[in-house]
Amino acid sequence: NAGVTQTPKFQVLKTGQSMTLQCAQDMNHEYMSWYRQDPGMGLRLIHYSVGAGITDQGEVPNGYNVSRSTTEDFPLRLLSAAPSQTSVYFCASSYSMAGSGTGIFSPLHFGNGTRLTVT
Amino acid sequence: GESVGLHLPTLSVQEGDNSIINCAYSNSASDYFIWYKQESGKGPQFIIDIRSNMDKRQGQRVTVLLNKTVKHLSLQIAATQPGDSAVYFCAENQAGTALIFGKGTTLSVSS
Repeated sequence: NAGVTQTPKFQVLKTGQSMTLQCAQDMNHEYMSWYRQDPGMGLRLIHYSVGAGITDQGEVPNGYNVSRSTTEDFPLRLLSAAPSQTSVYFCASSYSMAGSGTGIFSPLHFGNGTRLTVT
Repeated sequence: GESVGLHLPTLSVQEGDNSIINCAYSNSASDYFIWYKQESGKGPQFIIDIRSNMDKRQGQRVTVLLNKTVKHLSLQIAATQPGDSAVYFCAENQAGTALIFGKGTTLSVSS
């Protein structure tokens, strides 16, 4: 198993450009999420999904879109990049421990991150 | 061993000492708590978890304590080693909601 795979590892964008950060997991996990990590701020939740076709907003969703068409993939889209989106982005996944719909998930498995710089 | 007050961003210890990292959580309805370790350039890695029906849980060299009365969580690392140097995050979860992380504590271990 590769676990959670994020691509690219590094990316530089100009203000206003768009891009998609890719995330794939091969563990058949129902739950996937995106976090951003900034110095002194810890990890903040952007969007999450409890299954294919279902997404929801986290703490800091503005400026980001997500979709979950398959169990394996959870891409994060920046439609018009801004310098405030310079950050390290982590994708994570987990499975439901007590049956689907209970909301009780296993600890998150994280990818190794994408470092994004917007100039 | 050395302990720190709540939410100190850094902790420095000598190799062999016991380390205690503290965390205050925000939601009294949270029922699941996790500690993660993050090494430089990597994603967070699961260390240990505890459910709200427990006060203490032990792993290999690590112990998590939960005090629901004051909404406080701590991670104890026994015989700290240089390889334990990392940023440690606590996280809280309420069933049906997403995992929310604290700001993290950087542990530095000197030999």
